[in-house]
Amino acid sequence: SQKIEQNSEALNIQEGKTATLTCNYTNYSPAYLQWYRQDPGRGPVFLLLIRENEKEKRKERLKVTFDTTLKQSLFHITASQPADSATYLCALPRGDAGNMLTFGGGTRLMVKP
Amino acid sequence: DAGVIQSPRHEVTEMGQEVTLRCKPISGHNSLFWYRQTMMRGLELLIYFNNNVPIDDSGMPEDRFSAKMPNASFSTLKIQPSEPRDSAVYFCASSPRQGGVVGYTFGSGTRLTVV
Repeated sequence: SQKIEQNSEALNIQEGKTATLTCNYTNYSPAYLQWYRQDPGRGPVFLLLIRENEKEKRKERLKVTFDTTLKQSLFHITASQPADSATYLCALPRGDAGNMLTFGGGTRLMVKP
Repeated sequence: DAGVIQSPRHEVTEMGQEVTLRCKPISGHNSLFWYRQTMMRGLELLIYFNNNVPIDDSGMPEDRFSAKMPNASFSTLKIQPSEPRDSAVYFCASSPRQGGVVGYTFGSGTRLTVV
């Protein structure tokens, strides 16, 4: 069955450093992958989408890579700030394409001043 | 736009009672999703509507759960009868079109507690 794995342990880093979060998947050949941010008591917020033919995507301090051979996406936040502290979720389309997303369990990021 | 609007924000009910959760998607978005989030199981897709028509309800846990979308601006998720294991945060999300190449916009969720 299709499976998405994100590190369930919190990632603690110092302000100003680069945070790197990992999303691994099995039994998928996804047409795209999405990343979301979720703050406590709120719904997830869409951040970035990367397609299967794209190796890397950037948006301000965010960078996402997509390695379809390794079946892995990396999510980087450069020059991290305490305001970046949140849970980050990756999502893949059910059945590899289409509009229904399956979410990973998320990784909690804590940026300390 | 006010975003995806869900009501109520919190609901506490007794086991066996009927619960109705409400969602107003973003105007112009023709895809609507209901998700449930728990610590143990994370975010689970319950049902997907496109142009007000249910496309996939394979995630609905059992017959106690039902969802409707009578028009493009309103959807409900009903649990009857409710059970303590239904306690979770229920999210509604919408997106502009099929294909998945745009992100979802989620509401703030309804925290349901069944005692």
